[in-house]
Amino acid sequence: GAGVSQSPSNKVTEKGKDVELRCDPISGHTALYWYRQSLGQGLEFLIYFQGNSAPDKSGLPSDRFSAERTGGSVSTLTIQRTQQEDSAVYLCASRPGIQETQYFGPGTRLLVL
Amino acid sequence: GDSVTQMEGPVTLSEEAFLTINCTYTATGYPSLFWYVQYPGEGLQLLLKATKADDKGSNKGFEATYRKETTSFHLEKGSVQVSDSAVYFCALSRGGNTDKLIFGTGTRLQVFP
Repeated sequence: GAGVSQSPSNKVTEKGKDVELRCDPISGHTALYWYRQSLGQGLEFLIYFQGNSAPDKSGLPSDRFSAERTGGSVSTLTIQRTQQEDSAVYLCASRPGIQETQYFGPGTRLLVL
Repeated sequence: GDSVTQMEGPVTLSEEAFLTINCTYTATGYPSLFWYVQYPGEGLQLLLKATKADDKGSNKGFEATYRKETTSFHLEKGSVQVSDSAVYFCALSRGGNTDKLIFGTGTRLQVFP
């Protein structure tokens, strides 16, 4: 079946602009994660959604970052007033239930000029 | 806090050589341990996992044993192939509500014919 998909695959933006990154999880997966992969910080957790529960936002690096998940499916990660240090690959993952494997999307490569 | 430490790369091997990539972790309790692999141009894929002490995860000829006494989860393969060239990430999860993954920095493996 279809895996996790993310769009766009690449995004180039200017410093100060807002960007939106989209994640389509595997159908039926209740949990969704955003991670960031950057040269300086490695792979780090950003935010987690599980069903209708309040999201775990503990990994968001600043209040410029926000995310939402509509209808328990698609998620959008928004970065406001982008900075050069936001340049990274943003990965989305989903899993079907508790204590199950996370399945990753191909990522969105963001470059802030 | 919880952390994962991996040997730095790149690891360069000839085809059919023996591979070891070291991974140690710091965590309270009994985390689950994972190896993820990222092939060139592709997303993260789960390679293998182990959920309790002394468990051995295995897949595609790779193995790793969960060693509680040494807090280690070293990845091994008896005979590597050129197609194994990729970046390998060791990770842990503590379970609980979020069950987020905490990753090591990744180790690049290059296998030459």
